[in-house]
Amino acid sequence: EPEVTQTPSHQVTQMGQEVILRCVPISNHLYFYWYRQILGQKVEFLVSFYNNEISEKSEIFDDQFSVERPDGSNFTLKIRSTKLEDSAMYFCASKVGLKSYNSPLHFGNGTRLTVT
Amino acid sequence: AQSVTQPDIHITVSEGASLELRCNYSYGATPYLFWYVQSPGQGLQLLLKYFSGDTLVQGIKGFEAEFKRSQSSFNLRKPSVHWSDAAEYFCAVGHNAGGTSYGKLTFGQGTILTVHP
Repeated sequence: EPEVTQTPSHQVTQMGQEVILRCVPISNHLYFYWYRQILGQKVEFLVSFYNNEISEKSEIFDDQFSVERPDGSNFTLKIRSTKLEDSAMYFCASKVGLKSYNSPLHFGNGTRLTVT
Repeated sequence: AQSVTQPDIHITVSEGASLELRCNYSYGATPYLFWYVQSPGQGLQLLLKYFSGDTLVQGIKGFEAEFKRSQSSFNLRKPSVHWSDAAEYFCAVGHNAGGTSYGKLTFGQGTILTVHP
């Protein structure tokens, strides 16, 4: 069964550094998402992306965050200047576009970001 | 605003015993409801979903859930738990405003399931 793949599985960075989290969604999917889960807290929606633009973003997704689909397969989340509170597990997810309401959201295994 | 409450943070059951994980939601329209499972080091795997129709839905791994509109609940059940079911379980409500909103999920806090041999 096709999978959403995320790299790296664990990223350690220093405060103030830029990080890029990478995702390869399922190939025929058109809707893309990032979620995050701070340790001990709920999984939270960050952003949705379709047709090369952001569809919706949460309050968490401020100017420090950006997303991009640089080619036909990758979907990236960039954090420009990381803060300690950005430490979390980041999940990428994708979904087919057409008749989307009853198609499942497929999640990757996540990237654990640790900011020191 | 929509929300999901999972009242039980941690549940312990014996292998072979029945299981029920509780989920209550708050959503202004007809909800799309999901249960996901997360094993350590793994991503979120969809167990089952409810969109419409039969309020008792069957999922993978022998799980089922029942949508009760009057109680705003979507409890997950399994008649006989296996040791491999030990994991964290998340209930979620999906948005139905069209387009990418169908993939915008609001999650509960999660329930950790421990299975004793």
